[in-house]
Amino acid sequence: RKEVEQDPGPFNVPEGATVAFNCTYSNSASQSFFWYRQDCRKEPKLLMSVYSSGNEDGRFTAQLNRASQYISLLIRDSKLSDSATYLCVVNPSFSGGYNKLIFGAGTRLAVHP
Amino acid sequence: GAGVSQSPSNKVTEKGKDVELRCDPISGHTALYWYRQRLGQGLEFLIYFQGNSAPDKSGLPSDRFSAERTGESVSTLTIQRTQQEDSAVYLCASSQRTDYNSPLHFGNGTRLTVT
Repeated sequence: RKEVEQDPGPFNVPEGATVAFNCTYSNSASQSFFWYRQDCRKEPKLLMSVYSSGNEDGRFTAQLNRASQYISLLIRDSKLSDSATYLCVVNPSFSGGYNKLIFGAGTRLAVHP
Repeated sequence: GAGVSQSPSNKVTEKGKDVELRCDPISGHTALYWYRQRLGQGLEFLIYFQGNSAPDKSGLPSDRFSAERTGESVSTLTIQRTQQEDSAVYLCASSQRTDYNSPLHFGNGTRLTVT
């Protein structure tokens, strides 16, 4: 089983749609969680951290369910510019206190007019 | 300010040759990471530097891979006797601190193709 698993997609949605991505992780002792965004042939960039109580940043909402080892990202009112691959990222507890991030393979989102 | 810079951006090499990839992190960033991304796959951790030391080399795939960092700045990743399976994008990232929540800033990567 992969350490971080995501539905590869692609998710093809019209502008204005709401879309949700899910991710599961295998290490129950994982410490911190993130969503990164990667545009085609570009480097990954941090989209948002994921906190236990859930957190929102504009149109983006991230949630964490530690009991189920499940992370989600909700994008409301999708824009064409949201088209990208969304990477679920986990920092496992055994990393020795530094940011040895484990990346999922990503979920591809394509927003069309 | 300047971000993480990697060179070359693209490298095509013949099987069996050695290659050297360079990373210039953001100035003052303590931590430096190398990741590899094969086509259509997620990022694989290769090695982590804290200052000039590499406390975690666990992701290096074989002894053909090595990396060093000098002056708590520039890092080079060297791949000896390249194989076709080494073809990937090699990404360098740096962060200001070494703790869990210090975000990683990635460079644009070096796209390595071994023919």
